[in-house]
Amino acid sequence: DGGITQSPKYLFRKEGQNVTLSCEQNLNHDAMYWYRQDPGQGLRLIYYSQIVNDFQKGDIAEGYSVSREKKESFPLTVTSAQKNPTAFYLCASSPYPVRLAGTNTNYGYTFGSGTRLTVV
Amino acid sequence: EDQVTQSPEALRLQEGESSSLNCSYTVSGLRGLFWYRQDPGKGPEFLFTLYSAGEEKEKERLKATLTKKESFLHITAPKPEDSATYLCAVADDKIIFGKGTRLHILP
Repeated sequence: DGGITQSPKYLFRKEGQNVTLSCEQNLNHDAMYWYRQDPGQGLRLIYYSQIVNDFQKGDIAEGYSVSREKKESFPLTVTSAQKNPTAFYLCASSPYPVRLAGTNTNYGYTFGSGTRLTVV
Repeated sequence: EDQVTQSPEALRLQEGESSSLNCSYTVSGLRGLFWYRQDPGKGPEFLFTLYSAGEEKEKERLKATLTKKESFLHITAPKPEDSATYLCAVADDKIIFGKGTRLHILP
């Protein structure tokens, strides 16, 4: 079955460490996204990629980095510069980016199961 | 500024007690409105996409409707397994998510 796989499910980071969250999809989707979810807040966009070897900053990119070397993979690195990294991280994909979609086109997101990152 | 507001923040219902969740939005050019269901510790699961005012979609006990300013998710005769957080998102040139409504159905 096609879908998005995020790993690990739980991740613990020590102060000053960089950690990388994995996101792999086999849906043949062009666009991929990373969101952060905190209690009582909506999903906030960290980074997104519309095509291989290209990515754009979202609303809260500071302290994070990404790469998109393959269509199927969009890993997120949480660097030591991110001062409050404890959160639930969600990866998503869509067939094509929203701004390139026409009306009445199904470009809804498919989400992974998430990674919960905790600073220890 | 584009915004998506969901209400109520939380809702407790008895099993079988029907109700509606609201999603109001202000975007310059709506391309679509999405409803998702999210269970604790899991990623959101896609429910519906609505594209134009007057459109309705149904799935089991859920029915989503859309007007020019808001969308409703109607839950008819809910069961305890319908307990979850329901997220609304709207798309113009990007997708904006609301904070969600936490729904709890009591047996």
